[in-house]
Order: sequence, then structure tokens, then C-alpha cells
Amino acid sequence: KQEVTQIPAALSVPEGENLVLNCSFTDSAIYNLQWFRQDPGKGLTSLLLIQSSQREQTSGRLNASLDKSSGRSTLYIAASQPGDSATYLCAVLSYNTDKLIFGTGTRLQVFP
Amino acid sequence: DAGVTQSPTHLIKTRGQQVTLRCSPKSGHDTVSWYQQALGQGPQFIFQYYEEEERQRGNFPDRFSGHQFPNYSSELNVNALLLGDSALYLCASSSDRGPEAFFGQGTRLTVV
Repeated sequence: KQEVTQIPAALSVPEGENLVLNCSFTDSAIYNLQWFRQDPGKGLTSLLLIQSSQREQTSGRLNASLDKSSGRSTLYIAASQPGDSATYLCAVLSYNTDKLIFGTGTRLQVFP
Repeated sequence: DAGVTQSPTHLIKTRGQQVTLRCSPKSGHDTVSWYQQALGQGPQFIFQYYEEEERQRGNFPDRFSGHQFPNYSSELNVNALLLGDSALYLCASSSDRGPEAFFGQGTRLTVV
């Protein structure tokens, strides 16, 4: 049974810091891994998707890496801004299933 | 492109009542999935619809049912509401196991 864990659960940093959010999963037979952003009470915004054959993806100040053998993904946020404050969720899609398995998220606060 | 749209945004129901939530997928998408997100938790998969059929179901009771229409829009129905059904209900669309899932803004259901 696939389980996804995110560490830390919460993070509070000053503006300008570079951040690393961690996601681990128990079954390495994944089809893809997706990172989402969620603002309070809102839906999910897709940030980055990494296919199982890829090692990383980049979008602007965001970089996500994937190491299937160790069951880990990291989301790197460069030069954090107060507007980055949100909850970040990772989710994996395994082979032979149609459901995303989510972690419980990392709640990020970036203060000026 | 309007993306994934859900209605209503908020809903308050009484225990024992029935509720219907609606979702229109992103243009070009034919697969709709529903998730339940309790406060402080990651989304949990309810079920997925493709070609008007339920393709996979998560660990939810039969009180949760759904439907997909020929235009790919979908409904989630919950009967005999319990207080524990209070949550954010999220709809996601994709293109038949295409790589990326896109989520709507969610429907906040409160059962009193």
C-alpha cells in the first residue's frame, strides 16, 4: 500500500531564503509524482509534474527532483517571497491505479 | 480555458440530508476524479469516472455515488449525510491517464 509522507509539517522563514520541502513514498513503482500548492480553503494548483523516467523538473523559482530508488522527491523554492505562503502537497500516481495518493502537506509561511 | 469548475462553492446541509456537487472538467479532458479533503489532511480519493463509468473507487461507503455525463461533466452525490462528511470536496480532471491532473476550487460542505 502506497503511503506518502511530507516533512516538515510546517515551516516559517524570512523572505529571500532558499527552501527545501521533502516528500517520501513507500512504493517506488510510481507512474508520476506531482507537486501542488493550496491556499487556505481553496483548490489545488499544479506546480510541477515529474514522470517516473525523469529526475527533475523546473518552473521559474521552483525545482522538483525525483529519486525513485530511495522513494524521495524534493521541492526547492529559490528566493522565497511572502506570496509563496501556502500549503504544498505532493501526490504520487502508481501503476495499475487511477488514484493520486497525497501527503498531508507542508504549511509554509514566508514573512517579510 | 475556464479550467476545472465546481459548483456550488459552499454548502450547508443538515444531518440525514442528501447533497449533489457538480464538476465541469478542463476542456479536452475526459476523466474526472473526486477527492475529499478533511481539515489539515491531504485529499482522499473517492472515485474516478471515465466514459460515463466508475473506473475505480476508494475506501468510501455506498452513500457516496457519482455520475458522468456525455459531455464529461460529473456529479458527486452523498446520501444520509453525517457530521463527518464535512470537508472540502475536490474535483480533478485529466485526459485518460494523461500525465497531469488539474483540480477545481472545491466545494466546502458543512453538515450541521
